[in-house]
Amino acid sequence: TQLLEQSPQFLSIQEGENLTVYCNSSSVFSSLQWYRQEPGEGPVLLVTVVTGGEVKKLKRLTFQFGDARKDSSLHITAAQPGDTGLYLCAGVPTGGGNKLTFGTGTQLKVEL
Amino acid sequence: GAVVSQHPSRVICKSGTSVKIECRSLDFQATTMFWYRQFPKQSLMLMATSNEGSKATYEQGVEKDKFLINHASLTLSTLTVTSAHPEDSSFYICSAHLTGPEAFFGQGTRLTVV
Repeated sequence: TQLLEQSPQFLSIQEGENLTVYCNSSSVFSSLQWYRQEPGEGPVLLVTVVTGGEVKKLKRLTFQFGDARKDSSLHITAAQPGDTGLYLCAGVPTGGGNKLTFGTGTQLKVEL
Repeated sequence: GAVVSQHPSRVICKSGTSVKIECRSLDFQATTMFWYRQFPKQSLMLMATSNEGSKATYEQGVEKDKFLINHASLTLSTLTVTSAHPEDSSFYICSAHLTGPEAFFGQGTRLTVV
């Protein structure tokens, strides 16, 4: 059973379009992180959300943590080809020690 | 942030041989490091937790005798894939943490067993 489900799994859009990626769980997380991974590289941290209901913005990326701390979303405005990559949410369930649980991943492709 | 360096980035080996992958924390000490395996276009699958000075903790279904982990110092963990077979071909990634939950990853190692 996957603890963190991401949707959609794959997304192919045109430059300039907006998109939202969802990360859902039935478990409560003390915090959630979002990472982006490019082919042949390790994931790179984008953001950490900690407080239920929190919204964080990173240029054209907006991250939200659900009120109950069970889900999160990533919204990209006016996507660019440089946004292409695998987006992963991750977190440690409350009482889960120090092992990160990763989401199922969303493969995003932004075309010109 | 913290810098984690992984080496080699790519390796091709013959079936039956062993391959060692190194993971180093360059600007901090890491008592714990994590090893992941990743298949194409899929998420990361945790293989084991590497603990400095003690035995690694393996996830269910991961063969500890096949994937040997050594964490001999506070800045170095190694993963040795023993008697490699083509099905072991994959992308292996290590990570370490500072004080928080955020993971800092190495660049990954693409292993191809022929």
